[in-house]
Parts: sequence; C-alpha cells; structure tokens
Amino acid sequence: DTGVSQDPRHKITKRGQNVTFRCDPISEHNRLYWYRQTLGQGPEFLTYFQNEAQLEKSRLLSDRFSAERPKGSFSTLEIQRTEQGDSAMYLCASNQNREKLFFGSGTQLSVL
Amino acid sequence: QQQVKQSPQSLIVQKGGIPIINCAYENTAFDYFPWYQQFPGKGPALLIAIRPDVSEKKEGRFTISFNKSAKQFSLHIMDSQPGDSATYFCAASVTSGGGADGLTFGKGTHLIIQP
Repeated sequence: DTGVSQDPRHKITKRGQNVTFRCDPISEHNRLYWYRQTLGQGPEFLTYFQNEAQLEKSRLLSDRFSAERPKGSFSTLEIQRTEQGDSAMYLCASNQNREKLFFGSGTQLSVL
Repeated sequence: QQQVKQSPQSLIVQKGGIPIINCAYENTAFDYFPWYQQFPGKGPALLIAIRPDVSEKKEGRFTISFNKSAKQFSLHIMDSQPGDSATYFCAASVTSGGGADGLTFGKGTHLIIQP
C-alpha cells in the first residue's frame, strides 16, 4: 500500500492518559498535515510539517497537543492528559506541493 | 468563524439525478478549491479541484462551477449512482505566498442516491 498509513486505527483510552498516534506519509511527499474530525463536521486543520520543520502549530487545540516529524519521514501526534472532548478521528495527510492532499484512514480516538 | 459554508447538510437524489452541493467562502485570499468525498471509516479522498481563474471544470461525472464575484462554488454529479452515496466536503486554501497552510473545510453534505 503506497498511500498514507496511520496507526493505530482505533484507540480507546481513559481520561487523563497520554496517547500517541503515528503517520507514515506517501514516501515522496515532503509536506505532512494533521487534522481532527468530529462527528458531523469537516476536518479541522491542526498543524503541518515541511520535511522536519513544523511550519504551523498555532492551531493545535491546546498545549496538551504536540506533533513531531524528527527525520522528515513519519510523524507522531501526542495528546497528553486526554479529556473526553478529545474523542474524535485524527487524520494525517501528505502532499508534495500545496495541492492534491492525500489523507490516511485516520485514528479513531475514544476517551472514556 | 466559519470561513467556508456548505449546503445542504443532507441530500437525497434518485439514481440518474444531478445532486448539487454549494459552498460559499469569505477569505478572498483563497486560491484553491477542492472537493473531497468521504466514505464511513475512511479518510477524505480528493475528487476534483479548481482555481479561481477558471469558471468550470469537469472530470468524469463531476463538475465544479466557480463564481469568483459571488465567492461561491458548487459541485454537480452527473448521472448519479448509488455508489456515489457518501459525505462530500468542499474546502479552500491559500497556496501562494507565505502564511498559514492547510485546507479549511465545510461541514459536509451527506448524499444518498436512491436506486
């Protein structure tokens, strides 16, 4: 599969726990994006990387959210001290230019 | 502030009909307008996109109409099929110059094509 890969597909956690999601973009893509999608809504932009540089992080929902892309390849999104309101689908996407964004299937997070 | 407003929220069309989904935007700096299709449990997939220097674009059964002065664009699906039943999102972004990147999405339209 040469598409955007996300792991895990589903994550159930208890409130207050930390969670980390991984995204592997399409190999030749230098841009990587994280979005959050809640039920009945469109994806909401969180942050993006060009290679290993995080160029936009002001839209991360709180300081409990952080993302890394240490070698310009895969990326991780971490949520610390999860809250029930963090329950959502977390989507990763990648592209080579600023168009034609390709999405993964997402990680569905449920915070109990 | 919702920068991209999408309507209707849901739509039911008979097979072979032409569903039309509309979007309006506020930010005149937007210069790229894609439409995405999403099936349950999957991420959004790019269908078709347009830039504001073109008033219409067709790809297969999908057509985007763009009205720059009205800041509106719409998706038409010709000869709709039950397999087109999905949620459709319009989006917009600024692709030139610096500043924040990332697509701004509408809230989506849940489309059902009845056999």
